[in-house]
Amino acid sequence: NAGVMQNPRHLVRRRGQEARLRCSPMKGHSHVYWYRQLPEEGLKFMVYLQKENIIDESGMPKERFSAEFPKEGPSILRIQQVVRGDSAAYFCASSSGDRAYGYTFGSGTRLTVV
Amino acid sequence: RKEVEQDPGPFNVPEGATVAFNCTYSNSASQSFFWYRQDCRKEPKLLMSVYSSGNEDGRFTAQLNRASQYISLLIRDSKLSDSATYLCVVNIRYGNKLVFGAGTILRVKS
Repeated sequence: NAGVMQNPRHLVRRRGQEARLRCSPMKGHSHVYWYRQLPEEGLKFMVYLQKENIIDESGMPKERFSAEFPKEGPSILRIQQVVRGDSAAYFCASSSGDRAYGYTFGSGTRLTVV
Repeated sequence: RKEVEQDPGPFNVPEGATVAFNCTYSNSASQSFFWYRQDCRKEPKLLMSVYSSGNEDGRFTAQLNRASQYISLLIRDSKLSDSATYLCVVNIRYGNKLVFGAGTILRVKS
């Protein structure tokens, strides 16, 4: 009964490096969402993807951030040239697309930029 | 105006107390409503959906008032394990994107 799988759980990067965060949705779910949570703050929507398509990226920073959800394999959130302000918990969620059922979240990736 | 607004709290209550959280949303076209629970440094977990007629799950009761664009969560007989942040969640536009409130902190003390 695998839920939403995120890896790595913890990621440390030096300023200027790239961070790649992975998310495998629940079995049967084809909709993936990425959220960011800064310390002591709420969840902020970043991007919504369906297989091979970006549906809504209104929460993505204009630069350095990108996301994909290929036909095969997990969804990837990529942050290039990380800065200290990127340090946060990044949560991935998936759904079947039915509005009635909400999302299921993964355990998150905690990114620390040093 | 924020899309989803909640009182951040914290609500400090003794065990056994009844506590209620409120939430307002800005988009009258919203269709789906949920309460999630988030424990410290963990992922949010679905607590319950909120239906127009109101719904109950054990000690938890959720209400929706579409006219006032207002959602509530009532917790009866609070337990220490209820201590968490409670997130009000609404789908803001037609489609699948959910918007999360900033959360209300509940601390239940013995």
